[in-house]
Amino acid sequence: EIVLTQSPGTLSLSPGDGATLSCRASQSVTSNYLAWYQQKPGQAPRLLIYGASSRATGSPDRFSGSGSGADFTLTISRLEPEDFAVYYCQQYVSSPYTFGQGTKLEIK
Amino acid sequence: QLQLQESGPGLVRPSETLSLTCTVSGDSISSNNYYWGWIRQPPGKGLEWIGLIFYSGSSVFSGLTFYNPSLESRVAISLDTSTNQFSLRLSSATAADTAVYYCARGTGQAVPAAIGHNWFDPWGQGTQVTVSS
Repeated sequence: EIVLTQSPGTLSLSPGDGATLSCRASQSVTSNYLAWYQQKPGQAPRLLIYGASSRATGSPDRFSGSGSGADFTLTISRLEPEDFAVYYCQQYVSSPYTFGQGTKLEIK
Repeated sequence: QLQLQESGPGLVRPSETLSLTCTVSGDSISSNNYYWGWIRQPPGKGLEWIGLIFYSGSSVFSGLTFYNPSLESRVAISLDTSTNQFSLRLSSATAADTAVYYCARGTGQAVPAAIGHNWFDPWGQGTQVTVSS
């Protein structure tokens, strides 16, 4: 099973700041089979990024994904008030699909 | 626009079977080469993948299921094209199964007779299930 470790656990920033969220895998995520989701309180997760760097339909261009192998990053260029949420990464290389434990992005 | 909606009992007694249905609207569940899945989220915790079912009207592998090994002995996912729904059954429920349950479409790369490579989009809004006497 591929274990995904996200860091930091909580990130405190202000609107307008840039944010960098990390997702590290216990083994290589081949073919960049990694996705990122945003979850707001009381809502279902929403797909932001797939294939490590491809933005989902409707995902704002201030969100970008990068990385390869076992290290991946979600970058938010200029935080908007609606971006404060919990972010999860997911690997879909092999079964069982696994998610990271999440990074909470909170307003400073 | 594809939409998914979970439904089922919000309270399940310990040792009984948890049963949920996901109704798909805006497109046919028979659309080729998609996987349909379930994910859950215990209170205050992260996401856990439960399983997937593959459907393709033109494939002999249609109806194949793939489960998280941690739940495989208790879980079953099925699909009904006539009602555009797919379902989850989780037997011998315990308090540890208390969670919000989400259904979602697996999108990505279908692989014959295999789980493929799928991210999840879109998701249903989720339904809270509590296991308690």
